[in-house]
Amino acid sequence: GQNIDQPTEMTATEGAIVQINCTYQTSGFNGLFWYQQHAGEAPTFLSYNVLDGLEEKGRFSSFLSRSKGYSYLLLKELQMKDSASYLCASMDSNYQLIWGAGTKLIIKP
Amino acid sequence: NAGVTQTPKFRVLKTGQSMTLLCAQDMNHEYMYWYRQDPGMGLRLIHYSVGEGTTAKGEVPDGYNVSRLKKQNFLLGLESAAPSQTSVYFCASRGDRDADTQYFGPGTRLTVL
Repeated sequence: GQNIDQPTEMTATEGAIVQINCTYQTSGFNGLFWYQQHAGEAPTFLSYNVLDGLEEKGRFSSFLSRSKGYSYLLLKELQMKDSASYLCASMDSNYQLIWGAGTKLIIKP
Repeated sequence: NAGVTQTPKFRVLKTGQSMTLLCAQDMNHEYMYWYRQDPGMGLRLIHYSVGEGTTAKGEVPDGYNVSRLKKQNFLLGLESAAPSQTSVYFCASRGDRDADTQYFGPGTRLTVL
């Protein structure tokens, strides 16, 4: 079956670094997406990885290991506005996104 | 350029009532999607469309119907609402390249009593 696993909730301190892990198992693989979703709002795109390695985009970086079925999202210099849910999604062989349940990130001052 | 819009934003229905949710996008995207999002679960695909006049079933299609008569619009219908359909519904659209991201509408919060 298809499955995406990520932690339900994480807590971090303002100014620190946090890594949110995601493991995936899908029928085929055409890339791994990360989205941010603030409470009561729509998901918004953060990153896309299709090749192994690290993609850096400002304070956010995303890593992919296809052989391990593993990705992580790294957030640096955390700000209070980063408090949100972070959704991991794998694109399967039909180019459909299979979504994880999301990781709620709580930032404390 | 409004992106993806959804109407209505909120709705309360009684069991057995019907309604249609409208999604519109102005980005000329081929692909459109309807998801539902429930607490503790990932987004689940209800139906999707790969172009005007086409629709296909997703992971949880039962109890829903869709239509894509115009490229920019994707309608989701509930013929006879049930309490299990209480959820937040998101529409999304994307271009036709693999790496194209999905852009989401603001969501419709539906409660079925």
